[in-house]
Amino acid sequence: KNEVEQSPQNLTAQEGEFITINCSYSVGISALHWLQQHPGGGIVSLFMLSSGKKKHGRLIATINIQEKHSSLHITASHPRDSAVYICAVISGGATNKLIFGTGTLLAVQP
Amino acid sequence: DAGVIQSPRHEVTEMGQEVTLRCKPISGHDYLFWYRQTMMRGLELLIYFNNNVPIDDSGMPEDRFSAKMPNASFSTLKIQPSEPRDSAVYFCASKTATYEQYFGPGTRLTVT
Repeated sequence: KNEVEQSPQNLTAQEGEFITINCSYSVGISALHWLQQHPGGGIVSLFMLSSGKKKHGRLIATINIQEKHSSLHITASHPRDSAVYICAVISGGATNKLIFGTGTLLAVQP
Repeated sequence: DAGVIQSPRHEVTEMGQEVTLRCKPISGHDYLFWYRQTMMRGLELLIYFNNNVPIDDSGMPEDRFSAKMPNASFSTLKIQPSEPRDSAVYFCASKTATYEQYFGPGTRLTVT
């Protein structure tokens, strides 16, 4: 079993829909990242959070440390949101290693 | 700042050849990471440096892989000899102690 699990693996939505991607992890962490990767493209860090909730534009990320769970929400989705979304955790302790989930492939259709 | 710079962006080489990938981190960042991304295994950490010193190289696949960081503004990842299974996208990333990682555009390596 992977230390970081994401669901769903694939998601197709219609433009305008509210989207949720989930991430569960089994290790103690100091922080969690949400990353975005467009097809054939580079990786962009969307959020780094260790508690509560963060919002940037149409994107919202939440984390529940007790439940070892995080969600990424996209409001009013748009075709340009189509990408792979990757959850990654920094395990607790004196380390900077990221442990990656397998990613969620999102396709937003017009 | 120009962000993390990687070169080359694409590399095609024949099996057995030496490959060198290069990375320039963001100025002022004291952590540098090398990652490999494949369809089968996703993103994997190969090695990371702090203040030019390798801290964790447990992800380096085997002795054919080596990485150096001679100064704060430059790092290399070398594969010698290369094999077809090394074909992947290699990302470099950098960060400061308390903030998120910034990724470079990646180098797409194809070994034939």
